[in-house]
Formats: sequence, C-alpha cells, structure tokens
Amino acid sequence: NAGVTQTPKFRILKIGQSMTLQCTQDMNHNYMYWYRQDPGMGLKLIYYSVGAGITDKGEVPNGYNVSRSTTEDFPLRLELAAPSQTSVYFCASSYSISATNANTGELFFGEGSRLTVL
Amino acid sequence: LAKTTQPISMDSYEGQEVNITCSHNNIATNDYITWYQQFPSQGPRFIIQGYKTKVTNEVASLFIPADRKSSTLSLPRVSLSDTAVYYCLVGFYNNNDMRFGAGTRLTVKP
Repeated sequence: NAGVTQTPKFRILKIGQSMTLQCTQDMNHNYMYWYRQDPGMGLKLIYYSVGAGITDKGEVPNGYNVSRSTTEDFPLRLELAAPSQTSVYFCASSYSISATNANTGELFFGEGSRLTVL
Repeated sequence: LAKTTQPISMDSYEGQEVNITCSHNNIATNDYITWYQQFPSQGPRFIIQGYKTKVTNEVASLFIPADRKSSTLSLPRVSLSDTAVYYCLVGFYNNNDMRFGAGTRLTVKP
C-alpha cells in the first residue's frame, strides 16, 4: 500500500496565485486532515473531513478551501497565495477510534508538501 | 478538545531513560491520550496510546495516573536516533478535530 500520497512535494508560488495540494490515501480511512507546519513550530490543523461530502474547519482555515468528493481524495486549495502561507503542509488520514473495535485512531501522514510564496 | 501542555525542550544522553510529561487538566471521560514522534522533514508517526494506568509497546511506555490529568511518555535507553519532536494529543473516540500542541523537542547527545 502507498499509504498517504501528497503532491507536489515542492512548489514556489507568486503572491496572488492559486494552487491545489493533492492528497490521496489508499487505506479506506474515513477521516482525513490537512495541517500546516511553520519552521520550528508545531502542526496547526487547517481543515478535516469525516467522510465524503463532509468537511469542517480546524484552527487556521482562513485562506484555504477543501473538498471531499471521494473517500480517497482530500485536496487543499489556496485561492490567493500570500507569504504567510509559506509552510510545509501535511495531509493525514485515520480510522475513527471506536469502543467496539481495536482501531486506535492513529493518524497516518504523508511526506509533506513544502510551499513557498514569494 | 482538551488543551495540552508539554515542556518545550529536553536534553538527554545516549543510554538514559527519558520521561516527557504532558498536562491535560481538562481531559474528558472518553478521551484517549496519544503520543506522536516527528523527525525533521517528515510527518509525525504514532508511538503509543493509552486511556489509564500503564501501556507498553516495543518503543515506549505510557504512564497515566488515576486522575488522568497528566501522562508521561517514557523512552528507555535513548539513542541519537531518538532526537525528534514528541507531541501529546488528547481526544475521545470519534473525535475528528485532532489538534497538535507545540510538542517537546528532545535532543539526545552522545
């Protein structure tokens, strides 16, 4: 299994440009997440999704949009790139923790996408 | 989601046992406690999870007191390769708003 795959790995954008970060998982996880991590800092949750057609805001959603048309894919859209969005973006997926099964709700992360906005 | 507090950084030497404590005073009855490890330029990876008392796996142990307002990740006999950032997360099952704190930067010295 490939796990969680993110593309592109690196990208440089000019201020005001738009782009989409792609995230695909092949583990049939129902939950998916987008985080950003600024240099030397912890991860901040941007958006998450509990299943196809359902998305919700995290801690830092401004300037981003997401969609979840399938279980496998959870793209993150930047509409008007700003220098403050320079960061490393991580996509993650998980099963839910359940009292009736052995799932821990472990988050599986992609390798990250490094975005620079100039 | 319960807020967590961890030390910003810790130093240790190879072969020592390292204990990293996380405070989560507002933990709810159904919350689990999960620890992740992150190396530079990589996404975090799951280390261990627990609900109460003690959990041990091949990598670490997790100690949770009866009041569950804190937890301690114990790494036995650390090596240089354990240098990483360690995050404590608290959440209940089916909670999908998984937020990381600042984490603890562990540096293992030779």
